[in-house]
Amino acid sequence: AQSVTQLGSHVSVSEGALVLLRCNYSSSVPPYLFWYVQYPNQGLQLLLKYTSAATLVKGINGFEAEFKKSETSFHLTKPSAHMSDAAEYFCAVSDRNTGFQKLVFGTGTRLLVSP
Amino acid sequence: GAVVSQHPSWVICKSGTSVKIECRSLDFQATTMFWYRQFPKQSLMLMATSNEGSKATYEQGVEKDKFLINHASLTLSTLTVTSAHPEDSSFYICSASRDISNSPLHFGNGTRLTVT
Repeated sequence: AQSVTQLGSHVSVSEGALVLLRCNYSSSVPPYLFWYVQYPNQGLQLLLKYTSAATLVKGINGFEAEFKKSETSFHLTKPSAHMSDAAEYFCAVSDRNTGFQKLVFGTGTRLLVSP
Repeated sequence: GAVVSQHPSWVICKSGTSVKIECRSLDFQATTMFWYRQFPKQSLMLMATSNEGSKATYEQGVEKDKFLINHASLTLSTLTVTSAHPEDSSFYICSASRDISNSPLHFGNGTRLTVT
C-alpha cells in the first residue's frame, strides 16, 4: 500500500525566509507525487506534481519540489516566504495504475508565516 | 480553467435528519468524482468513488447506507448523509477530473456539516 509521511504538523518561518516542508513516500511501484495547498474552509489547490519526467518540479506561487528516489522524498520548498503562503499543505501519492485520481494524502503541515 | 462547485458551503442540521451535498463540474464532464471527509486538523480520507451511471465504490469502513452517493449525470454527484448524528459533523470535500487519462483532480471548496 502506498503512503506518505509529512514530518512536522506545523512549520513556522519569518516572511522572506526559506520554506521547507518535508514529505517521504512509500510505494512499491514508481509513484506519482503531488503537493496541494488548502486555505481555511476551502478545498485543495494543486501546487505541483511529479510524474517521472524532471525530478525537480516547479509549481505555482514560486514553490518547487525535488523527487529523490534514494531518499524516497519529495520535499516542498520556496526561497522566500510570503504572508499569503500561510495555509495547510498536503503531500499526496498515487500509483500508475490509478493515475492522478485516487490519491492518498499525508496528514498535512500547517505553515505559519510571521512578519 | 476547470472548476468544481460544491453546495452548500456550510450546513447545520438536527440529529436524525438527512443532508444532501452537491458536487458539480462546471465546465467539463466527469465520469468519476471522489468524496473525501476531513476531520479538524487532519488529512483527507477518501470515502467513496462516484461513478456516473453506476454504483459508487466505497472505501473500507465507510457505511454505504449512511452516505448515499448518486452520480446521475456527467456533471453532478450528490452525497446524502442520512440520519445524521453529531459524530458525522465534519468537512466534506468532493473532487473531479476531466475524463482524460492522468488529468489532475480539481477540488470543490468543501461543505462544513454541523449536526446538533
